[in-house]
Amino acid sequence: DAGVTQSPTHLIKTRGQHVTLRCSPISGHKSVSWYQQVLGQGPQFIFQYYEKEERGRGNFPDRFSARQFPNYSSELNVNALLLGDSALYLCASSLGTGPGNYGYTFGSGTRLTVV
Amino acid sequence: RKEVEQDPGPFNVPEGATVAFNCTYSNSASQSFFWYRQDCRKEPKLLMSVYSSGNEDGRFTAQLNRASQYISLLIRDSKLSDSATYLCVVNMYTGGFKTIFGAGTRLFVKA
Repeated sequence: DAGVTQSPTHLIKTRGQHVTLRCSPISGHKSVSWYQQVLGQGPQFIFQYYEKEERGRGNFPDRFSARQFPNYSSELNVNALLLGDSALYLCASSLGTGPGNYGYTFGSGTRLTVV
Repeated sequence: RKEVEQDPGPFNVPEGATVAFNCTYSNSASQSFFWYRQDCRKEPKLLMSVYSSGNEDGRFTAQLNRASQYISLLIRDSKLSDSATYLCVVNMYTGGFKTIFGAGTRLFVKA
């Protein structure tokens, strides 16, 4: 079975542009969450979606938005890109959501560089 | 204060050593706990869940102390392949779900 797949793997954008990152979860997983990771830090939580509804949001500005589709794939959108948005964006999928003991399986990420 | 704090290390240990990492969390709404491993320039991978009763997976033992709000990971008989960054992860519900990662602890195992 395919793992979590993310596209594109690498992306270079200019300040002020918009970007869309895509994620396909493991088959059967209904929860997708998004993270931003900069070098030397742990992943920072951006969003969690379960059954197409937003279930959690981290401390990111409104320039960041996401959605989940009926097939449980997801998109992360970032508007008005800033240099500080340069990071590795990770998507993770899980069987469930909430306080259960479900771990997450991560995709290999999209490396975004804003110039 | 960070919601999840870890000693960044690095921990430099010889093969065969036992090494322990601790992680503290500040939010009592925290409900589930994990350790992940991340190799350089790779995605995090789930190592194990952490329970109050403690759990063991081969050379790895994880423990949760809810009263003191800390999580531990013990690695016995360290292998060269254990060299990685170990991330402490806490799930919580505070009006919405959140997953908080610690900054990670670097481990180098040397021959």
